[in-house]
Order: sequence, then C-alpha cells, then structure tokens
Amino acid sequence: QQPVQSPQAVILREGEDAVINCSSSKALYSVHWYRQKHGEAPIFLMILLKGGEQKGHDKISASFNEKKQQSSLYLTASQLSYSGTYFCGTGLGGKLTFGQGTILTVHP
Amino acid sequence: DTGVSQNPRHKITKRGQNVTFRCDPISEHNRLYWYRQTLGQGPEFLTYFQNEAQLEKSRLLSDRFSAERPKGSFSTLEIQRTEQGDSAMYLCASSLAPGQGLDGYTFGSGTRLTVV
Repeated sequence: QQPVQSPQAVILREGEDAVINCSSSKALYSVHWYRQKHGEAPIFLMILLKGGEQKGHDKISASFNEKKQQSSLYLTASQLSYSGTYFCGTGLGGKLTFGQGTILTVHP
Repeated sequence: DTGVSQNPRHKITKRGQNVTFRCDPISEHNRLYWYRQTLGQGPEFLTYFQNEAQLEKSRLLSDRFSAERPKGSFSTLEIQRTEQGDSAMYLCASSLAPGQGLDGYTFGSGTRLTVV
C-alpha cells in the first residue's frame, strides 16, 4: 500500500518553513526521506525507525509517530537548494514503497 | 567508489523489441533494487536482490520483465516485447541489508526508456 503524502505541492520564499507529511494505512516500521531534483536521481536524506525518534540533518528534521502511522519532514529557514520533489518511503525488511511525492519550490 | 552506475542513460526502442539495462551497485552493498518511475510519480518497486538471490518481484510486473544478478555484483533488467506503456525511467538502487547500516538507498541516475 502506497503511503500518502501531503501537501502535493508547496511554494515558499527563502527563509520560510515547511512541513511535509507521510501517512500509511499499515503499521510503520521504518520511514526513509529522499529529495529528487528534476532529471536527477533521488538523494537519501534520513531514515527513521520504529520508536518515535526525531532526527535532524542541518535545518531538515523528521519525526515518526507510530500511533498515527505518520512521519513528518520539517524544513526550517528554507534555502533555494531545498527545491525539488520530496518522497517518503515506507517498508519492512529493506524494501521500500514510495509516496507520490511533494513538490517544494523555494523562491528568492 | 563512484556510486551506482546505470547503462545506458537513454534507450529508444521500437514496440516489440527487447531491451536490457545494466546496473553496477556500490561494491559493499549486498542489496540491489529496481524501480520504475513515470513523470510526476514516486518510484514504483519492481524487484530486489540480496547478493545473487532475487527475494521479491512485484506482482504488478508482467512476465515480460526479468532481472538477474548472477554473481551478486552487477544486475541486468530485461524487458521483452516492449510496449508503449513501458516507457519510463528505470532506477537502480543499492544498500546494505537491514541491520548492517542505516544509510538508506543510493540511487543510480537511471535509464530512460522510450518505446515508439
């Protein structure tokens, strides 16, 4: 079952914050987050495992809520380089099922 | 290590022809995955290997698709009797098996297939 991401698209000015959500109808064991720029391969951002931990990576962090079967990606003080499509991937045993993606556009 | 390498980068073929793509993963990675991506969608799972063993194949995948990883290193994906609906970006990724690392997938740049 494919996870559902929201919103589908976000437009920001540099310095603004954004939150991208990833919801699953199945129990979550791990959630991966990736960013893909147009015409390029997806790049791994971070992985969260069952346990509700929050991780950080520069000004990008994520949380994992097992009860809600949801993960959220937080982008703080966005930069132009944050533009791209963000995908969450959920799975068990290493194989991931990806969401449909959230297009993030950051303007100067 | 130069990352995950995929060849060719682009392939244009006539409907009904067979095509084969190659993926060279990161050498330390024992897991190798094939995904398909169409415009505006997330990567769709096709199949994956741990070493040379094919552990799972998508039920959505027709019998025209086959993948191999003969020596647990590079992998090939073959599509027989191509159809226009096969046009997509075919992505390969590699990783360590769960429990061996938490670095996620490393994707290759993909092979863009156009069936005319």
